[in-house]
Amino acid sequence: GDSVTQMEGPVTLSEEACLTINCTYTATGYPSLFWYVQYPGEGLQLLLKATKADDKGSNKGFEATYRKETTSFHLEKGSVQVSDSAVYFCALRPNTGNQFYFGTGTSLTVIP
Amino acid sequence: DVKVTQSSRYLVKRTGEKVFLECVQDMDHENMFWYRQDPGLGLRLIYFSYDVKMKEKGDIPEGYSVSREKKERFSLILESASTNQTSMYLCASSLSGQDTQYFGPGTRLTVL
Repeated sequence: GDSVTQMEGPVTLSEEACLTINCTYTATGYPSLFWYVQYPGEGLQLLLKATKADDKGSNKGFEATYRKETTSFHLEKGSVQVSDSAVYFCALRPNTGNQFYFGTGTSLTVIP
Repeated sequence: DVKVTQSSRYLVKRTGEKVFLECVQDMDHENMFWYRQDPGLGLRLIYFSYDVKMKEKGDIPEGYSVSREKKERFSLILESASTNQTSMYLCASSLSGQDTQYFGPGTRLTVL
């Protein structure tokens, strides 16, 4: 069945360090791929998305590229800030139906 | 902006009580979802609904039921709350055929 596997945390980085959170998926066809972010005490917010192979989603300095050949959608940021501390979820929506599949989440803490 | 609201941020109930969690969205979305979020397990889908009075079981429906009498409102019901239902409950909505889910702030339920 469809599923998402993402890098386990927690991840702790110093401010201005580079971030990569790995995400791979299993799905038939061409799903849409997402990264959601959950700040402390809040619900999930869409961070970025990509709907077809080789698309790059980007927002707030974060990027992720839809790689069909490696079934991956890794989240990257060149220089993290304290305000990026949150839990990040990789997700997919199959190309049929309305159900989403989420990874287990990766907690990021950025220290000054 | 899409707004998804949940009736309570925090709720404390006793074992055996009947519990109602309410979710309302204001953007005429057809699809609504209930998830529970637990550490190390990520988001797990309980139920979803793609139209008024329609519902589909998700991955973990046992011990829960839902009601969707109006398009904007999706209720999650714990018929007889148990301690293993202590969790964060997240509601989400989306337009049919659209990629993005919009989440409410969550309800942290504690069952004593």
